[in-house]
Amino acid sequence: DIQMTQSPSSLSASVGDRVTITCRASQSISSYLNWYQQKPGKAPKLLICAASSLQSGVPSRFSGSGSGTDFTLTISSLQPEDFATYYCQQSYSTPRTFGPGTKVDMK
Amino acid sequence: QVQLVQSGAEVKKPGASVKVSCKASGYTFSTYAIIWVRQAPGQGLEWMGWISPNNGNTNYAQKFQGRVTMTTDTSTTTAYMELGSLRSDDTAVYYCARQSGVVPNFDYWGQGTLVTVSS
Repeated sequence: DIQMTQSPSSLSASVGDRVTITCRASQSISSYLNWYQQKPGKAPKLLICAASSLQSGVPSRFSGSGSGTDFTLTISSLQPEDFATYYCQQSYSTPRTFGPGTKVDMK
Repeated sequence: QVQLVQSGAEVKKPGASVKVSCKASGYTFSTYAIIWVRQAPGQGLEWMGWISPNNGNTNYAQKFQGRVTMTTDTSTTTAYMELGSLRSDDTAVYYCARQSGVVPNFDYWGQGTLVTVSS
């Protein structure tokens, strides 16, 4: 199975901050990497697919980059509605695996 | 609009089975696979497997092999996930989602179904 790791596991930030979350795969997954946002008590929401393609309706302050084993999710200017947990997920092989999540909370 | 609506919360005893439903609407049901993901309290997301409504093909995570059965009913555009031999550590919110894209992604999700396993 492909193992996914994320760093940091949590971070505290303020509105307007630039936030960067890193995801690493245990082997190369090309660009088979998706990012999700989850708020408490809610289902995950797809933000970015194929490492860098913004899902329709997702604000442009979200961006993704990377390929192979190392990936990044960036929020250019954190907004109040962005405080949530973010998960990366690989679709290179089954079982599809998720990273452990990065919780973004208010400083 | 695409919607996935799941059945309500369940409480089960250890050793029992649970069957969760996921009613899809707003798209051609047979065209997209349905996946199931679970989330234990305070924990991350765990992929359980997928099913193709088109031909019934399934792919289960090895962890759940022998205990999980995923099915679909194309006449009612409903997917089902049955998990047997329940243990306390199966207590979780179970989500269905639609799998889409050349790079498979989970673009629409159900609201989740809490399954509590307790004696």
